Amino acid sequence: AQSVTQPDIHITVSEGASLELRCNYSYGATPYLFWYVQSPGQGLQLLLKYFSGDTLVQGIKGFEAEFKRSQSSFNLRKPSVHWSDAAEYFCAVGLRDRDDKIIFGKGTRLHILP
Amino acid sequence: KAGVTQTPRYLIKTRGQQVTLSCSPISGHRSVSWYQQTPGQGLQFLFEYFSETQRNKGNFPGRFSGRQFSNSRSEMNVSTLELGDSALYLCASSSLKRTETQYFGPGTRLLVL
Repeated sequence: AQSVTQPDIHITVSEGASLELRCNYSYGATPYLFWYVQSPGQGLQLLLKYFSGDTLVQGIKGFEAEFKRSQSSFNLRKPSVHWSDAAEYFCAVGLRDRDDKIIFGKGTRLHILP
Repeated sequence: KAGVTQTPRYLIKTRGQQVTLSCSPISGHRSVSWYQQTPGQGLQFLFEYFSETQRNKGNFPGRFSGRQFSNSRSEMNVSTLELGDSALYLCASSSLKRTETQYFGPGTRLLVL
């Protein structure tokens, strides 16, 4: 069955440190890939997406993600985090041949130490 | 361009009641999807409407229903509310397909007592 795994429920990093949030998926074909961020009590905001082409994707707020087909991964990175990056991050995959079904990971809560 | 709006933002109901939530998509967007978000289950797809037709449905009981109007605004209805229906209900709009970029509204927080 198709699935999305975000192995880290919580991650804590110091302000100014680099960040990598992991996302792995299980799907027989190449999916659409998304990262969303959710601030407390708010809806989701799209950070970046991968549909095809260059596997290194640049997003908003200084985030980037790299699609690695061999590892079925789409990890999110940021070279230097800011206190305002504290939020919950969701990885999602769109299944091209499954009636446009979208599956979300359980999310990773990012905490920033001053 | 205005974003996705959802009304009401907060709602308290009691078991057995029914509730209707509203979502206005971004102008020009024809696809509206609904999601339920809970701490235990995370984000789960409810259904998608496109041009007034339900195009896809998630694994939710028939108590959950929806519709879309000719102006693309959408409503979802939950009848015979249960405690477990307490959740944040998110609406997302996209131009054509769910697998395109979806823009989410702020959500409606429903509490069932």
